[in-house]
Amino acid sequence: KNQVEQSPQSLIILEGKNCTLQCNYTVSPFSNLRWYKQDTGRGPVSLTIMTFSENTKSNGRYTATLDADTKQSSLHITASQLSDSASYICVVTQYNTNAGKSTFGDGTTLTVKP
Amino acid sequence: GAVVSQHPSRVICKSGTSVKIECRSLDFQATTMFWYRQFPKQSLMLMATSNEGSKATYEQGVEKDKFLINHASLTLSTLTVTSAHPEDSSFYICSARVGTGKKLFFGSGTQLSVL
Repeated sequence: KNQVEQSPQSLIILEGKNCTLQCNYTVSPFSNLRWYKQDTGRGPVSLTIMTFSENTKSNGRYTATLDADTKQSSLHITASQLSDSASYICVVTQYNTNAGKSTFGDGTTLTVKP
Repeated sequence: GAVVSQHPSRVICKSGTSVKIECRSLDFQATTMFWYRQFPKQSLMLMATSNEGSKATYEQGVEKDKFLINHASLTLSTLTVTSAHPEDSSFYICSARVGTGKKLFFGSGTQLSVL
């Protein structure tokens, strides 16, 4: 069964600190992994997308890593800001010649406090 | 980047009425659109996949007669919640994809409250 597990479930950090969110998956065959940021009451916004051959992808203060061998990904947030408070969702898409199915993680709720 | 517009952002309705939610791709043609529902503090749950001009494919456990999906054009998909009940209250989100591309573009979501 395809699964995506994220940890921690929730995280509280002080403004300016760094943090790392984890995503482990069992989706196979693998096509791509995406990280989204979802503010409360809003739709998800894409942060990064990585394919099998990509190990690292950055988007400003967000850096995602991918280890396709161990099926793990991390999202590192540098110098956190209050606006980073949101839910971060890991989405893994299965390879399919027509259109792969995506499996969503339950998300990590990040709270950045001043 | 590509924009997906979802409307309305919030709707409150009486039990037994029907509610229509629209999802539009503003600057690209979306061959495939997805509809999700999300309960508080939970992740998105895929309800159905719709391809332009064909019937939607519903996920197991989703009533197709209750959640009517129409994808009549490459830029518009609609989700109609028929005979809404309080347990249908949820956050509904659409997403769109171009062909078999990797990127999914999400709408801003619709908060449905059924009284």
